Amino acid sequence: DSGVTQTPKHLITATGQRVTLRCSPRSGDLSVYWYQQSLDQGLQFLIQYYNGEERAKGNILERFSAQQFPDLHSELNLSSLELGDSALYFCASSVADSTQPQHFGDGTRLSIL
Amino acid sequence: QQQVKQSPQSLIVQKGGISIINCAYENTAFDYFPWYQQFPGKGPALLIAIRPDVSEKKEGRFTISFNKSAKQFSLHIMDSQPGDSATYFCAASNSGGSNYKLTFGKGTLLTVNP
Repeated sequence: DSGVTQTPKHLITATGQRVTLRCSPRSGDLSVYWYQQSLDQGLQFLIQYYNGEERAKGNILERFSAQQFPDLHSELNLSSLELGDSALYFCASSVADSTQPQHFGDGTRLSIL
Repeated sequence: QQQVKQSPQSLIVQKGGISIINCAYENTAFDYFPWYQQFPGKGPALLIAIRPDVSEKKEGRFTISFNKSAKQFSLHIMDSQPGDSATYFCAASNSGGSNYKLTFGKGTLLTVNP
């Protein structure tokens, strides 16, 4: 058990809808990272937050947004969903802004019908 | 642009054999190289990691070999066991910049036959 908790485990929704994925980092970790895993693209970095502030952006679509709350949990919001957004979404956390390693949760599987 | 190339895509090894997975990177600013193990339905779990100031790191049956001049690193699993059957990802990051994201290889599906 990595100590990173992601909910829900599975989400099934339709095109055009909006969903929110939730991540609770390991106790004491201040940095949260979001990754997308798909068969064709593999594991791709989306966005990083550190202590409530956005630190870095990767290949994140404009339809996607995230935030980190004062209690350090993070949410990834996906809107105007398309079939191609079907993927596994992972959250990882690390102790501080620049430290490794990153510890991953078990992900949320998003299926768009 | 794929910055970390991983091979092979899949690997079948007999129990007790040696599994070898290779990765090559392009960005010379990378200075942290972890390997993650992923079982179906689970997230990637850190297995072992190396920094470029050493050429080899061993933890139990798992060894990373690192060749800085060739920009390559590899994972060796000694005495492979059926329980090692999983997908393995190499990754790299740059701790000197402002973005500490991990750049992953495409993964290797390892099957260890009993």
